Amino acid sequence: DTGVSQDPRHKITKRGQNVTFRCDPISEHNRLYWYRQTLGQGPEFLTYFQNEAQLEKSRLLSDRFSAERPKGSFSTLEIQRTEQGDSAMYLCASSPGGAGSPQHFGDGTRLSIL
Amino acid sequence: AQSVTQPDIHITVSEGASLELRCNYSYGATPYLFWYVQSPGQGLQLLLKYFSGDTLVQGIKGFEAEFKRSQSSFNLRKPSVHWSDAAEYFCAVGAPGTYKYIFGTGTRLKVLA
Repeated sequence: DTGVSQDPRHKITKRGQNVTFRCDPISEHNRLYWYRQTLGQGPEFLTYFQNEAQLEKSRLLSDRFSAERPKGSFSTLEIQRTEQGDSAMYLCASSPGGAGSPQHFGDGTRLSIL
Repeated sequence: AQSVTQPDIHITVSEGASLELRCNYSYGATPYLFWYVQSPGQGLQLLLKYFSGDTLVQGIKGFEAEFKRSQSSFNLRKPSVHWSDAAEYFCAVGAPGTYKYIFGTGTRLKVLA
């Protein structure tokens, strides 16, 4: 079990630039989630995939955000025209099927907007 | 709407002392309940979970939690804290039929030598 892997671990970019993060879930997990965590807060749900289908999106996910999971394996989260408020830790989690299956988290990508 | 409250932002205990971290939730039925731990710059590690059945659940690293329906609580306990337990602890709720978790704001634990 290699765990959930996220890349990069840190990203520093200027305001207005586009960024893309990658998440590789645990191989046998068909569910994948993205969360955002700001300083002093718990993670907030952004979106959820079951296999390649994006089944739920939070209202936090503005039009500048897009997530994909081609072929139901790894996932990418892209932020276009970054803003200061996008600075946060972006966490990916995965889980197997079954009601209430616990989510396993990666170490996150920390985004800093200059 | 679901919500999770962790009333203690910071807790400081001496090494070897007992620990209890509080978690209260708001949900119409019994949700799935979880405790996670996060070390600085790291992701979240699952400590334990409750779905149904025995209301006292055992987790990793010597932690346990008790579900009390009447109080809508799911408090985390450890009889003897180790310095390596210093971290941030998050309680989370998952509603049956949905897949997202609602997290509390966390409790930061400091352990004195």
